[in-house]
Amino acid sequence: DAGVTQSPTHLIKTRGQQVTLRCSPKSGHDTVSWYQQALGQGPQFIFQYYEEEERQRGNFPDRFSGHQFPNYSSELNVNALLLGDSALYLCASSLGRLNEQFFGPGTRLTVL
Amino acid sequence: GQQLNQSPQSMFIQEGEDVSMNCTSSSIFNTWLWYKQDPGEGPVLLIALYKAGELTSNGRLTAQFGITRKDSFLNISASIPSDVGIYFCAGQNAYGGSQGNLIFGKGTKLSVKP
Repeated sequence: DAGVTQSPTHLIKTRGQQVTLRCSPKSGHDTVSWYQQALGQGPQFIFQYYEEEERQRGNFPDRFSGHQFPNYSSELNVNALLLGDSALYLCASSLGRLNEQFFGPGTRLTVL
Repeated sequence: GQQLNQSPQSMFIQEGEDVSMNCTSSSIFNTWLWYKQDPGEGPVLLIALYKAGELTSNGRLTAQFGITRKDSFLNISASIPSDVGIYFCAGQNAYGGSQGNLIFGKGTKLSVKP
C-alpha cells in the first residue's frame, strides 16, 4: 500500500519564476492538504482540497494556488517566487477533511 | 489565530530514560495529534487523540488529550537511540473557519546526551 508520494524531491528556482509541485495521496484517501515548513519551524497550513475544490485556505497570498484532479492527486503552484518561499513543502492526505492526515516526504524548494 | 506552545524546545536523552513533552493552546481543539519528523523527511503520525481526557498508547509512547481540550502530553518510556528526532504536536478543529486544517507547534528536538 503506497503512502503519500511527492515530486520532485528537490527543486532550485530563481526569483520571479513559477513552480509546480505534485502530490499523490495514500490509496483510498480523497483529501489533500498542503503545508509549508520553514527551517526550524512547524508546518504551516497553505490550503486543503476536497472534491476537486479548495475548501480551506491558510494565510498565504494568491501567488499560491492549487488544483485537485479526479483521481485525488493534487498540484501546488507558486508564481513570482520570492527568496522567502524557500522551504520544505509537504503534502498530507486523509479520508475526509477531518480525519488523520498522513504526510509525504516533501519537496525541498530553494529560491536563489 | 490559534497558536500552540510546545515545550521543552529541546532535550537530551540517555538510553533508557523516560521523556515527557507537552503542548498548550490558547483555545480548544477537537483532535490532538503527535508526529515525529526525521531530518529531510515528512512528519510521521504517532498518535491521534479524539476525546478530552483520552489516554492512548502506541508501544512505548503514551499521549493524553487534556481535560480542558487546550493541552496534550506525550511520554516516551525507556528511550532508545532511534527516538532521536523532532516531535510535533498538532491540533485540529472540526468546526469553524479553520475546520480540518492542522495547527502545529514549533517542535521538541530530542538529541542523544553526549
